[in-house]
Amino acid sequence: ETGVTQSPTHLIKTRGQQVTLRCSSQSGHNTVSWYQQALGQGPQFIFQYYREEENGRGNFPPRFSGLQFPNYSSELNVNALELDDSALYLCASSLNSGAYEQYFGPGTRLTVT
Amino acid sequence: AQSVTQLDSHVSVSEGTPVLLRCNYSSSYSPSLFWYVQHPNKGLQLLLKYTSAATLVKGINGFEAEFKKSETSFHLTKPSAHMSDAAEYFCVVSDPPGTYKYIFGTGTRLKVLA
Repeated sequence: ETGVTQSPTHLIKTRGQQVTLRCSSQSGHNTVSWYQQALGQGPQFIFQYYREEENGRGNFPPRFSGLQFPNYSSELNVNALELDDSALYLCASSLNSGAYEQYFGPGTRLTVT
Repeated sequence: AQSVTQLDSHVSVSEGTPVLLRCNYSSSYSPSLFWYVQHPNKGLQLLLKYTSAATLVKGINGFEAEFKKSETSFHLTKPSAHMSDAAEYFCVVSDPPGTYKYIFGTGTRLKVLA
């Protein structure tokens, strides 16, 4: 069974640019959630996708957007990057939107300069 | 709204001694609570979960946690620390219970001394 994978591992972008992060969910999981983890803090919920539809959103501006594909993989897009967007971005998958457990990928470390 | 408070940002123990990582929660429902561990450069791994069944929850790697409603606590314990337990630990509540949105605590960094 393949776990949650994310790409790329690390990324460096310039303020104002756009970035796309990718996540492949665990086999059989139809729900993907994204979290932002700033240095020294706990992860913050960005949004969740369930069967290709956004299914809840945290306190993040609209320049954070996402997609989920028919194979349940997902993308996180961030436009107009700001320095404060520098963080570890974590993807988590679960069996369905009401499932108790989420399984996390290793994350993508984004640095904005 | 649900929330969790991890009472210690850093905990140091000697190898072979007990571990106690403290977490208090705030919830207007019967909460769903979790403990996750994060090793450096690795993803978060689920240690255990409480979902209104048994109040004493056993997890992986010898960890367990007890849900105490009267104290609104969900402390994580392990009888004997191992060097490999050194990591960041997060207490988590789902909001609303049994759903997708995880609310994380600020984390407790566990250091294990030889």
